[in-house]
Amino acid sequence: GQNIDQPTEMTATEGAIVQINCTYQTSGFNGLFWYQQHAGEAPTFLSYNVLDGLEEKGRFSSFLSRSKGYSYLLLKELQMKDSASYLCAVRDGGFYGGATNKLIFGTGTLLAVQP
Amino acid sequence: GAVVSQHPSRVICKSGTSVKIECRSLDFQATTMFWYRQFPKQSLMLMATSNEGSKATYEQGVEKDKFLINHASLTLSTLTVTSAHPEDSSFYICSARDKTTSTDTQYFGPGTRLTVL
Repeated sequence: GQNIDQPTEMTATEGAIVQINCTYQTSGFNGLFWYQQHAGEAPTFLSYNVLDGLEEKGRFSSFLSRSKGYSYLLLKELQMKDSASYLCAVRDGGFYGGATNKLIFGTGTLLAVQP
Repeated sequence: GAVVSQHPSRVICKSGTSVKIECRSLDFQATTMFWYRQFPKQSLMLMATSNEGSKATYEQGVEKDKFLINHASLTLSTLTVTSAHPEDSSFYICSARDKTTSTDTQYFGPGTRLTVL
């Protein structure tokens, strides 16, 4: 089956660093995405990992370990506007046939940034 | 990033009526679009994959006759909720696949809040 796990909620302080973990067990794997979603709005793309290692983009970094089925999103220098849900999503399929480009989403982690 | 629009952003309708939601990719061509539904405090659930020029592929448990999808052009997909009932009230979000990017990313529209009375 398809299973993606994230913590439901996290709280952090403005200016601090927070790490949001995601573990997955899926039948296929063709990349892992992180999206940010503010309440009542659509998700916005944050990062993408398909190979093991760390991808850095400004205050946001994302890490992937395919052998462990594990990823994390690291947010540095937290700002109040970072309060949102963070969605981990695995893309289905492989490179040869059967690749549907479907995204399987985790339940999301609601991050609250406090002053 | 790429821009995807959705219309309307919010709709209230009576039970039994049909509602059409449009999803457009504004600055790229999308041969594949996706329709999701999201209930409060829950994650996105994929309803169907919309392919330009062919029939949509529906996820298990999604009624194809109730949720009609048409992908008539490379920039437009529509979702029609037929004979809507209160339990269809939800946040509907579309995404469009941009194959031109190195990451082959899905970009999401702003969503449509449907309330069925």
